[in-house]
Amino acid sequence: QKEVEQNSGPLSVPEGAIASLNCTYSDRGSQSFFWYRQYSGKSPELIMFIYSNGDKEDGRFTAQLNKASQYVSLLIRDSQPSDSATYLCAVDTGGFKTIFGAGTRLFVKA
Amino acid sequence: DAGITQSPRYKITETGRQVTLMCHQTWSHSYMFWYRQDLGHGLRLIYYSAAADITDKGEVPDGYVVSRSKTENFPLTLESATRSQTSVYFCASSDSGSGYEQFFGPGTRLTVL
Repeated sequence: QKEVEQNSGPLSVPEGAIASLNCTYSDRGSQSFFWYRQYSGKSPELIMFIYSNGDKEDGRFTAQLNKASQYVSLLIRDSQPSDSATYLCAVDTGGFKTIFGAGTRLFVKA
Repeated sequence: DAGITQSPRYKITETGRQVTLMCHQTWSHSYMFWYRQDLGHGLRLIYYSAAADITDKGEVPDGYVVSRSKTENFPLTLESATRSQTSVYFCASSDSGSGYEQFFGPGTRLTVL
């Protein structure tokens, strides 16, 4: 059974701080990794994707991938109350099968 | 409307009834997916489709049926609803199957009494 594990949280950080969200996956053959944000009562929306080992930055968001450790993370710099949401880690295991983690709830305190 | 839509947005039904959830996308994406989201489980794939008339099972297909006669539509049918199928159902589409962003519909909240 291919799995994607996330700490359910909630992760609480003060406004302006760095939020660090982590994800581990079991399938070593996984090639593509995604972070989706889901506001309460809404549908998921993609915020970052990463394919290669290392860091990928987009504005206040940085995705980090370590395939050897089977570890993906998302850093949110200068966290804002509007970042409060559930963050879903998703891993593409090939064959049209994307496995989603259960999500980490982030709460940014003003 | 452009994008991906789902109907109904909310549905209450009784055990044993047949229910169909509709999904429509205007992007002409080849790939479409049905997920269910339950507390503690995240999104779980029910069925997916790579093109019209091509569908395949996902992680939790039992009790569900899909069809895709047209590229833009991907209905999901619960043949005989059970309480365990109470969930939020999301339809998604993608320009490609693997390794690409999926665009999600607004979801259907289904309650089976």
